[in-house]
Amino acid sequence: ETGVTQTPRHLVMGMTNKKSLKCEQHLGHNAMYWYKQSAKKPLELMFVYSLEERVENNSVPSRFSPECPNSSHLFLHLHTLQPEDSALYLCASSHEAGTGSNSPLHFGNGTRLTVT
Amino acid sequence: GEDVEQSLFLSVREGDSSVINCTYTDSSSTYLYWYKQEPGAGLQLLTYIFSNMDMKQDQRLTVLLNKKDKHLSLRIADTQTGDSAIYFCAEIPPGGGADGLTFGKGTHLIIQP
Repeated sequence: ETGVTQTPRHLVMGMTNKKSLKCEQHLGHNAMYWYKQSAKKPLELMFVYSLEERVENNSVPSRFSPECPNSSHLFLHLHTLQPEDSALYLCASSHEAGTGSNSPLHFGNGTRLTVT
Repeated sequence: GEDVEQSLFLSVREGDSSVINCTYTDSSSTYLYWYKQEPGAGLQLLTYIFSNMDMKQDQRLTVLLNKKDKHLSLRIADTQTGDSAIYFCAEIPPGGGADGLTFGKGTHLIIQP
């Protein structure tokens, strides 16, 4: 039990589909993150939410749409994806997101996304 | 170039020590982290070190920090098959933790029997 739960674990979708990834944290944290992990590339930060407000959006294409309805839940809505979007999508949370904070990230096990 | 650099692979024999190295670029980083990722799982925080420390030991793990050279290492004593994983070095990027962490590409630790 990691304290951060992601569903589904695996997802296969066509380029015209609409799907959502879900993340839930049971740690009482105030910040949540979406990362993309592709083969042989560094982890790419996609979005950061702090106290349910989006504080970071790293030039992510609009076909990825995050939603944070409360501090415990984070969604990533997907539509009209491309095959190159196939990757492991990791959710993480931390106690706080802020300058100089020592607030380690706690990760979920990820959703393995395949776009066909 | 990348902000955090690591070798992609390290192969060691079971029972030997493993040393995974990392170089980072931001001299103002206050904390540096090591994460472990096992197959099919997310990243698990292993340990971290504060920048005013040179060394931190936690059971089989030893972290060494050389701030002058911006070099961080993770030593795993008596490496076991269960240590087989990808190990990520990470730093707080310029601008602070609101950007999450900056990760290296990860070092794949391979254990030989």
